[in-house]
Amino acid sequence: SQQGEEDPQALSIQEGENATMNCSYKTSINNLQWYRQNSGRGLVHLILIRSNEREKHSGRLRVTLDTSKKSSSLLITASRAADTASYFCATDETSGSRLTFGEGTQLTVNP
Amino acid sequence: DAGVTQSPTHLIKTRGQQVTLRCSPISGHKSVSWYQQVLGQGPQFIFQYYEKEERGRGNFPDRFSARQFPNYSSELNVNALLLGDSALYLCASSFRWGSGNTIYFGEGSWLTVV
Repeated sequence: SQQGEEDPQALSIQEGENATMNCSYKTSINNLQWYRQNSGRGLVHLILIRSNEREKHSGRLRVTLDTSKKSSSLLITASRAADTASYFCATDETSGSRLTFGEGTQLTVNP
Repeated sequence: DAGVTQSPTHLIKTRGQQVTLRCSPISGHKSVSWYQQVLGQGPQFIFQYYEKEERGRGNFPDRFSARQFPNYSSELNVNALLLGDSALYLCASSFRWGSGNTIYFGEGSWLTVV
């Protein structure tokens, strides 16, 4: 079953612009992780944010988490063509390391 | 250091056949999980193993089985293949079992069932 739902499903921007992707989920979570997937490839881990954290940064990435609204957002600043990929949020709501993924946002950055 | 490695990268099987997919976790990682990703969808959890014991199972039929070896590598077996089993099979590893661990994925094994 899908826990997270990403919004929008697809996003097309110009190089240099910022991209914001949102993720909503249904149940209480322990943490939330964001991943990137280039076409036909594996998942690359971007950021893990714990349920008691509200914001984390990593380079050009900024992730926020609002547990009261059961939502998270991923902001990519100063986007590059190489950022073109699918982005997934994955929640961990069990005691184990078991992730539940949404269906992803397809980001296209045009040069 | 090598990341999560999977083999084979691509394979084609006929309906009714059996397939074995292999995974080596990141060195030092003791937890391995398997996910299925059908084209256009997010990955779906299949199994998790930690210290050679099954710690979680997703909503998949008994045709799917897995095991973890003493060196923490893992195999996923699928019997009596169906067309709907065509997907990218992803292996993931983490240092420990439990919430809050960063989970790293391999490049996956593309399975096509014809």
